[in-house]
Amino acid sequence: EAGVAQSPRYKIIEKRQSVAFWCNPISGHATLYWYQQILGQGPKLLIQFQNNGVVDDSQLPKDRFSAERLKGVDSTLKIQPAKLEDSAVYLCASRPRGRSFYEQYFGPGTRLTVT
Amino acid sequence: GQQLNQSPQSMFIQEGEDVSMNCTSSSIFNTWLWYKQDPGEGPVLLIALYKAGELTSNGRLTAQFGITRKDSFLNISASIPSDVGIYFCAGTLYGNKLVFGAGTILRVKS
Repeated sequence: EAGVAQSPRYKIIEKRQSVAFWCNPISGHATLYWYQQILGQGPKLLIQFQNNGVVDDSQLPKDRFSAERLKGVDSTLKIQPAKLEDSAVYLCASRPRGRSFYEQYFGPGTRLTVT
Repeated sequence: GQQLNQSPQSMFIQEGEDVSMNCTSSSIFNTWLWYKQDPGEGPVLLIALYKAGELTSNGRLTAQFGITRKDSFLNISASIPSDVGIYFCAGTLYGNKLVFGAGTILRVKS
C-alpha cells in the first residue's frame, strides 16, 4: 500500500511570496490533516478534513493560510503571503474510515524555508 | 492551552544501554501516544495508552500512562543504532485533537 505522498519535498521562497503544497493521502482514507512542525517542536494541527469538508481549522491562520480538498481526495495548502515565521515542515496525514482518531499515517513533509 | 513538556530534550547513549524519557502535561489526558520521527520522514506511531496506570510494550519499547493522567513514560531497552531519531509524546483528552510535545532527540554511540 502506497503511503501519503507530498510535494514538493523542499521549497525556498522569499517573504511575501506565495507557496502551495500538495498532498495525496492513502487511497480510501476519508480524513486528511495538515500539520505545521517548526524546528525543535512537535507537529501542530492546522486543519482537518473529513472527505471534502472542514472539521477543524481553529489553528489555521486564515489571513494567510488556506487549504482545500476538492473531491475529497488530494489536498492543497497555500500560504499567501509568506512570513519568516512560516519556515517549518508541513506534514500531511490521513486516517482510514472507522479507525481511532490517532491512527494517522503521516507523509514525509514539505520543508519550507522563507528568507 | 494544553502544553506537553518532554525530557530530556536530547540524549546521547551507548549502544546496548536502556533509555528512559518522559512527558508531563499541564492538564489531564485520556489517551497518551508515543511517536518516532526519522530524519526527513513523518512521525510513526509506536505505542498508544488508554487508561491511567496502563503499561504497554512494543518489542523493546515499554510505555506507561501515569496514574495522575498528566504524565507518561517511554523506555527503550538495549538500544541499537536504528533507535536514533526524535521521540514525541502526544495526548488527547476528547479524542479530537492531538497535542504534541517538543520531542526527545536520541543519538546512539555505536
